Amino acid sequence: EVQLVESGGGLVQPGRSLRLSCTSSGFTFGDFAMSWVRQAPGKGLEWVGFIRSKTYGGTTQYAASVKGRFTISRDDSKSIASLQMNSLKTEDTAVYYCTRGFRNFAYWGQGTLVTVSS
Amino acid sequence: QSALTQPASVSGSPGQSITISCTGTSSDFDSYNYVSWYQQYPGKAPQLMIYEVSNRPSGVSNRFSGSKSGNTASLTISGLQAEDEADYYCSSYTSSSTLVFGGGTKLTVL
Repeated sequence: EVQLVESGGGLVQPGRSLRLSCTSSGFTFGDFAMSWVRQAPGKGLEWVGFIRSKTYGGTTQYAASVKGRFTISRDDSKSIASLQMNSLKTEDTAVYYCTRGFRNFAYWGQGTLVTVSS
Repeated sequence: QSALTQPASVSGSPGQSITISCTGTSSDFDSYNYVSWYQQYPGKAPQLMIYEVSNRPSGVSNRFSGSKSGNTASLTISGLQAEDEADYYCSSYTSSSTLVFGGGTKLTVL
């Protein structure tokens, strides 16, 4: 059974950093791209970015709203995808979901809430 | 990257069919057929209902169907049931190797 479990969310002040992790199981992690999607309270889904598998270079793509501030990485030996968020803004407040794939998402984590507030 | 355009809400009575549209630009849809649809209940993670325009994942009811014409994709739900009441989102993988979601549509079953 595919499982994705996010962790690392919490309350953080504007301008600070936070790192989210997505621990995966039930599939060969290294074979898949991994994506992050967020949802602000009461709002719609917003794509954050993704990281390709090492087979495809392990390169990343980001939404314009987070480019230069957020970094996605992966540790295939531990089946973990990470989202490093720097220079956080209040508008980054959202539930952050980890998902498998990059064109469509059949598997999602339960989400972790990030609140950016002073 | 602007969001794909969806109606904010649609409604229908049990047994009826409804269609939710999803409109983008040519660069959103381009020649790709990577349009997906998600169902989301309050407080829950989204669930994939349709991928690559018209394909249903295993376990999704055949009451859900998808199509695309030009720059507009559509999700049709036939034989509407109370359990279909949820938020629905479209998404498209773009020619820029990014992904864009629609703003979401709240489906109310009357």
